[in-house]
Amino acid sequence: NAGVTQTPKFRILKIGQSMTLQCTQDMNHNYMYWYRQDPGMGLKLIYYSVGAGITDKGEVPNGYNVSRSTTEDFPLRLELAAPSQTSVYFCASSYGPDRETYFGPGTRLTVT
Amino acid sequence: EDQVTQSPEALRLQEGESSSLNCSYTVSGLRGLFWYRQDPGKGPEFLFTLYSAGEEKEKERLKATLTKKESFLHITAPKPEDSATYLCAVQHRSQGSGTALIFGKGTTLSVSS
Repeated sequence: NAGVTQTPKFRILKIGQSMTLQCTQDMNHNYMYWYRQDPGMGLKLIYYSVGAGITDKGEVPNGYNVSRSTTEDFPLRLELAAPSQTSVYFCASSYGPDRETYFGPGTRLTVT
Repeated sequence: EDQVTQSPEALRLQEGESSSLNCSYTVSGLRGLFWYRQDPGKGPEFLFTLYSAGEEKEKERLKATLTKKESFLHITAPKPEDSATYLCAVQHRSQGSGTALIFGKGTTLSVSS
């Protein structure tokens, strides 16, 4: 049982490039989330999904896109990377909205 | 506006010196309050969930309590391995089909031997 896994662990992008952050969970959770964490700030929700085929925006969705074709996977797409997207990205999952949320190890992204 | 405030921002303790971390919240209808531990370079690790005022949870040297406006994470006789950032998060009632957590900025605890 690996829990929530994320790839890559680190990435450096040039301004205007695109990339996909991968996230997989093996706990059969319906709910999945993408958060970003900036120094001195709380985790901010980017997008979330309540099941395969269903996604919705969180607090800071601009510049990102998601898809959920399976229960296990929830990739996050960055289009036209900007320096403001330099952050640590965490994928997470849970059984439900009021149940404990399990986080992946994070992806540290730098846009220069 | 829904808000979670943690204090202090940083706390330095000597090994064995007990203390408490505070998490105050203003949300419209609390569904749950969560405590997480985050080590440098890692994702948050779940510690406790509290659902109603008066509830308490314990795990080793940690004890979490909840009132209608705040939660405390009590650390008894801490050890250096308890050094980490402790995050508080709340989940509020929503008209939507799913919501996520509102996080505080965390309290960074350093325990020296």
